[in-house]
Amino acid sequence: GAVVSQHPSWVICKSGTSVKIECRSLDFQATTMFWYRQFPKQSLMLMATSNEGSKATYEQGVEKDKFLINHASLTLSTLTVTSAHPEDSSFYICSARDSPSNTEAFFGQGTRLTVV
Amino acid sequence: GQNIDQPTEMTATEGAIVQINCTYQTSGFNGLFWYQQHAGEAPTFLSYNVLDGLEEKGRFSSFLSRSKGYSYLLLKELQMKDSASYLCAVRNPGYSTLTFGKGTMLLVSP
Repeated sequence: GAVVSQHPSWVICKSGTSVKIECRSLDFQATTMFWYRQFPKQSLMLMATSNEGSKATYEQGVEKDKFLINHASLTLSTLTVTSAHPEDSSFYICSARDSPSNTEAFFGQGTRLTVV
Repeated sequence: GQNIDQPTEMTATEGAIVQINCTYQTSGFNGLFWYQQHAGEAPTFLSYNVLDGLEEKGRFSSFLSRSKGYSYLLLKELQMKDSASYLCAVRNPGYSTLTFGKGTMLLVSP
């Protein structure tokens, strides 16, 4: 199956700093990438949908100025958590799809963010 | 909106069969997915149903009834490595996003 690589796997940062998470499709071109957040023992909550070359579509309640998403190429999307706070500590997961009609989206390994 | 319900936890014995149920009430439906997620890892795809009926894939089978808003994942010949969270997800209209249930934590004991 297709491979989606997410980096870093884990990161610890100080409150007030910014953290960038990368999501790459290694063997296919991802027209659409999705960013999720998962708190312990909770489900994956979709944060935003990013399409290559256009602005991301954010879900209700997700601050677009805090969670900056860039999808500059067909193989790379980045999520930047700006001015991170302890409540932003979570598991962030990206997924990528090579076409709108494809039934399956492939997930990255996830990034464990801890803000101290 | 989308509302997806599945049991929080289930336990089973190695070698047994377990059925994990998922019910959904959604404003639109374009297919249902099952994913397996081990702790601290990303979900991995198990199955996809868009038409009513049973889809079998090795030890795993998934069933869908669209009229009842109901699906189940059937795991046979359980192994210890099957201990994980199983997520039911509905694809929203427009073939775009997925809405996930909270997941069912399955614990397989010897």
